[in-house]
Amino acid sequence: ETGVTQSPTHLIKTRGQQVTLRCSSQSGHNTVSWYQQALGQGPQFIFQYYREEENGRGNFPPRFSGLQFPNYSSELNVNALELDDSALYLCASSRRDNEQFFGPGTRLTVL
Amino acid sequence: QQQVKQSPQSLIVQKGGIPIINCAYENTAFDYFPWYQQFPGKGPALLIAIRPDVSEKKEGRFTISFNKSAKQFSLHIMDSQPGDSATYFCAASRGNYQLIWGAGTKLIIKP
Repeated sequence: ETGVTQSPTHLIKTRGQQVTLRCSSQSGHNTVSWYQQALGQGPQFIFQYYREEENGRGNFPPRFSGLQFPNYSSELNVNALELDDSALYLCASSRRDNEQFFGPGTRLTVL
Repeated sequence: QQQVKQSPQSLIVQKGGIPIINCAYENTAFDYFPWYQQFPGKGPALLIAIRPDVSEKKEGRFTISFNKSAKQFSLHIMDSQPGDSATYFCAASRGNYQLIWGAGTKLIIKP
């Protein structure tokens, strides 16, 4: 186990709704990255937070937003959910520029 | 330039055999190349990683071979076991920042 926890484990939402996913990073880690993994595909980078600031973003629209707290835990918020947002959302924590350790993910289903 | 191409898509090997998974990248700025193992319903787990200043790295039964001039790297699993059956992902990044992932290889080790 990596020590990275995510909640909830599973979530079902309908189109147009909003969702918040949570991640607790491993002790000693100050960087959190979020990835979206569609079924049967590799993860896609959404964004990264370092010391409470967004530190880069992948090719995702602004309705994907995030937050990092002083204890380095993080939230991923998705507004106006679309069917294609159905995926496994992965959080990874690390110390800056070191190996990323992944949590078990949150499975989001949008109906 | 951001792509990482992974092959094969799936692989079946007898117990004790040596599965080999290959990846190719385009961006010469990449300097960190990890391999992740993912079981169904779980987040990816870091197996082994290499930086371009070495051509080979071994950790237990896992070996990465790296060819900088060809922009290719591969994972070899020695003495493979049924418990190694999983999906394997290669990835690449500059400074372990935004990981760019391959599409994954579903590996089955037959008893």
